[in-house]
Formats: sequence, C-alpha cells, structure tokens
Amino acid sequence: NAGVTQTPKFQVLKTGQSMTLQCAQDMNHNSMYWYRQDPGMGLRLIYYSASEGTTDKGEVPNGYNVSRLNKREFSLRLESAAPSQTSVYFCASSLQRSSSYEQYFGPGTRLTVT
Amino acid sequence: GESVGLHLPTLSVQEGDNSIINCAYSNSASDYFIWYKQESGKGPQFIIDIRSNMDKRQGQRVTVLLNKTVKHLSLQIAATQPGDSAVYFCAENLSGYSTLTFGKGTMLLVSP
Repeated sequence: NAGVTQTPKFQVLKTGQSMTLQCAQDMNHNSMYWYRQDPGMGLRLIYYSASEGTTDKGEVPNGYNVSRLNKREFSLRLESAAPSQTSVYFCASSLQRSSSYEQYFGPGTRLTVT
Repeated sequence: GESVGLHLPTLSVQEGDNSIINCAYSNSASDYFIWYKQESGKGPQFIIDIRSNMDKRQGQRVTVLLNKTVKHLSLQIAATQPGDSAVYFCAENLSGYSTLTFGKGTMLLVSP
C-alpha cells in the first residue's frame, strides 16, 4: 500500500495563478482532510470530507475549494493564489471508527506564491 | 518541513535521557487524544493515542499521560535516541466530530 500520496511535491506560483493539489489514499478510508502548516502555527484544517459526497469547511477555508472526486481522491484548488497561501499543504485520511480517529498523512506539497 | 520548527518550544536532551513533552488542550469535552511525530520534510506520523476514560497508556518506549482535571497531556519517551529528534504534536478530538485540533508542537533535539 502506498498510503496517502500527494502531487506535486513542490510548486511555485505567481500571484493570481490557479492550481489544484491532488491527494489519493489506498486504505479505503472514509474521511479525508486538507491542512496547511506554517512556521509556529501547527496544522490548521482547511477543508475536510467526512465521507464520499460530502465536504465541510475547516478553520481556514477562505481562498480554497475542494472536490471529493471519489472515495480515494480529494483535491484542493487555489483559484487565485496569494502570497499568504505560501505554506506546506498536507492531505490526510482516516477510517473514522469510534475507537480511533487516527489520521494518516501524506508527504506534503510545498507551495510558494510570489 | 525544516521551517516547521521556527518559533517552537524546544526540548534539548542527551541520548539515553528520558524526555517529557507537554501539551495543554483546549476543550474539556474532548475525549480522544493523539501524539504525532513529524520529522523534517515529512508528514506527521502517529505515535500513540489515548481515550479520556484512561489516564495512562504505554507503547514501545513511549507513555502518554492524561490529566483531565487540568486539561494536560504528556508524552514520555524512554532512552531517547537521535532518531527521536523531530517536532511532536498533540491533537484532540471533540466527541461527535470527525476532525482533530492540533497543538502548535514542540521540537525535540537529541544530541549524541
């Protein structure tokens, strides 16, 4: 199993450009998440999808959109990138059993907006 | 990943020492807690979890202690090794929700 995969690993955008970050998991998990990580800020939730067909806003959704394409894939789109969106983006997935809410993380996408 | 450590509390220990990393959580209604380890340039990895009906749980070389009275969580690492050098995050789950709320992290530096 590859676990959680993310593409691309690195990206540089100019202000105003758009792009989509891709995430896929092969663990048959129900829930998927997008986080951003900034120095000293920990992980902040952007959007999540508790199950296929649903998406919900997290703590910092402004400037982003998501699509849960199917059970495996959850993409994050920046329609008009801004320098404030320079960050490391992590996708995660979870089985969401009542006994455990463990999330499995991908390797991250390092995005710079100039 | 290397920039994650900027401005974080840092714990520096010698190889072989025991390490204790602390975390204060925010919501008294949280009933599930996780510790994650994040090495430079990588995504967070699960270490150990604990439910609120327990006050201690042990894993391999790690122990998590939960004090619900003061909303405090700690991670103890026995015989710390250079490979334990990383940023450690605690996370809490609020009962009935499918999301985790993460703390800001502590950097652990282990010198040989």
